[in-house]
Amino acid sequence: SQQGEEDPQALSIQEGENATMNCSYKTSINNLQWYRQNSGRGLVHLILIRSNEREKHSGRLRVTLDTSKKSSSLLITASRAADTASYFCATLGGGSNYKLTFGKGTLLTVNP
Amino acid sequence: EPEVTQTPSHQVTQMGQEVILRCVPISNHLYFYWYRQILGQKVEFLVSFYNNEISEKSEIFDDQFSVERPDGSNFTLKIRSTKLEDSAMYFCASSPKDRYQPQHFGDGTRLSIL
Repeated sequence: SQQGEEDPQALSIQEGENATMNCSYKTSINNLQWYRQNSGRGLVHLILIRSNEREKHSGRLRVTLDTSKKSSSLLITASRAADTASYFCATLGGGSNYKLTFGKGTLLTVNP
Repeated sequence: EPEVTQTPSHQVTQMGQEVILRCVPISNHLYFYWYRQILGQKVEFLVSFYNNEISEKSEIFDDQFSVERPDGSNFTLKIRSTKLEDSAMYFCASSPKDRYQPQHFGDGTRLSIL
């Protein structure tokens, strides 16, 4: 089964606008994490939300989690050109494993 | 802030050759991982390592792959006989034992098999 599917696949906005990316998953989770990847670089952890949390904030980032719908959203407010990157959600399943399952990602382009 | 470091950043190897990718995880972390990302595709889990042994591995991680922690700081991924389809970006990550702590990733090694 496919886990952690983001939409949209690509998003282009103007600087100052908000960007919203969505992620859906299929199995039960322990937590859900969002990562950013600049072109050709590594994955930078942004925020982690536990399965018993509904919303979390970190600076300009807001993450929501709806476990009944098995979905999460990442909102970046007041976007900047430097936010241009790919954004991935990754789920950590229930049980005792430590395997992260990634989605295909959303490519965000913020135009100056 | 401590970070995961990987070497080399780019490795070009002939098909059939052995390759070793190296990683230095964050020093107080206890879990270590390898993931790979084929160009344009998802990041895929390969293996997790804890207490000097593999704790979980994916179907991708077949007998051609092995991992080792040869000393107190390095963590390596070896591919014994590389295939064209092994061409990918390989990411090392590490984390504390607490599952509610994030995994921290290195910048990756781009492996190109000719």
